[in-house]
Amino acid sequence: GDSVTQMEGPVTLSEEAFLTINCTYTATGYPSLFWYVQYPGEGLQLLLKATKADDKGSNKGFEATYRKETTSFHLEKGSVQVSDSAVYFCAPGGSARQLTFGSGTQLTVLP
Amino acid sequence: NAGVMQNPRHLVRRRGQEARLRCSPMKGHSHVYWYRQLPEEGLKFMVYLQKENIIDESGMPKERFSAEFPKEGPSILRIQQVVRGDSAAYFCASSPQKKGVGQPQHFGDGTRLSIL
Repeated sequence: GDSVTQMEGPVTLSEEAFLTINCTYTATGYPSLFWYVQYPGEGLQLLLKATKADDKGSNKGFEATYRKETTSFHLEKGSVQVSDSAVYFCAPGGSARQLTFGSGTQLTVLP
Repeated sequence: NAGVMQNPRHLVRRRGQEARLRCSPMKGHSHVYWYRQLPEEGLKFMVYLQKENIIDESGMPKERFSAEFPKEGPSILRIQQVVRGDSAAYFCASSPQKKGVGQPQHFGDGTRLSIL
């Protein structure tokens, strides 16, 4: 089955710092890749996605590129804000296919 | 807002009781997925359903747990004779019928189940 290895947290950054959260995966076939974000007490919200090799997903200043050769989908943001504090999950999967989540990376951004 | 609706948001049960968790998918979505999240952990897949059919239940415990998605009404996750280890957040997600890659799953806010 699919599996995900995600950078362990917690990660603490100052506002406006550069963010990288590493994610590597193993999966059967050619899955779509997703980053979800979870705020306290809430469900997961889709942050961005990529559906094939070399695709770059982007949203709200976050980016991630589908790297088939390294089976990676690292999340980056050039300048984080306090409001970005949340737990971030990387997941291969897609419609009609279960999502496989890593353990998540807790991000805290300090003012 | 026509997002995925789960209820109740919080559910407290005593050991041995039954828990019923409900999920109404987004409008136009016919695929429903249930996941369980233990404290400080990621989500673990439980079951994937389409209307009136269980497609994949490989993540569902073999005993006490069942799920359905009837032709009319919400999807139900049912846990019989609950035990303390069932305490967790249960999330439902839905996706559309449309085939093809890239269709994300949309999540509800979850049901927090506490077993006394």
